[in-house]
Amino acid sequence: AQSVTQLDSHVSVSEGTPVLLRCNYSSSYSPSLFWYVQHPNKGLQLLLKYTSAATLVKGINGFEAEFKKSETSFHLTKPSAHMSDAAEYFCVVSDQAGTALIFGKGTTLSVSS
Amino acid sequence: DTAVSQTPKYLVTQMGNDKSIKCEQNLGHDTMYWYKQDSKKFLKIMFSYNNKELIINETVPNRFSPKSPDKAHLNLHINSLELGDSAVYFCASSQGGVTNEKLFFGSGTQLSVL
Repeated sequence: AQSVTQLDSHVSVSEGTPVLLRCNYSSSYSPSLFWYVQHPNKGLQLLLKYTSAATLVKGINGFEAEFKKSETSFHLTKPSAHMSDAAEYFCVVSDQAGTALIFGKGTTLSVSS
Repeated sequence: DTAVSQTPKYLVTQMGNDKSIKCEQNLGHDTMYWYKQDSKKFLKIMFSYNNKELIINETVPNRFSPKSPDKAHLNLHINSLELGDSAVYFCASSQGGVTNEKLFFGSGTQLSVL
């Protein structure tokens, strides 16, 4: 069965420093992978998605993620954190039927000034 | 205009009651979903539905039932509410399946069962 594991439940960075949110996936097929962000008291918003095209995927707000099949990873990065990046981030894989998204448990990103 | 809207935003009710959460999307999407987010922020699919097929997560109790009066609406009805039903429920929609399509989420309904 497919699954995602977010390796850190909480990441804290200073404004202006790089962000790394780690995600490993498990799948018996070539998955579609996503990162979603949830700001406090808001719905989820798609940051970026990987669907078997380029392995380095660029998303909104300066985020990007690299699909590494050999490591079964899809880590999310950003060169320089902003205060507005503080939120909950979810790594997501689609199920094989393509009918549902399977969410990781989330990583809370805190950004300090 | 809000793409996916849910009402109510907050719902507080007693155990044993029956309640509904409404969801509407104005994007013309074919597929709508309900997700449950527990207190640990874990999101889990409950249902996906288009005008052809309802797919139910087998772990969802049959007290939960989606009702779709038309393509733009997918309401969630819950019978005999239990304490464990307390969570945030998110409605979402997409054009077609999720594999290649972006999901648009509503802002959530926080359900508290007392």
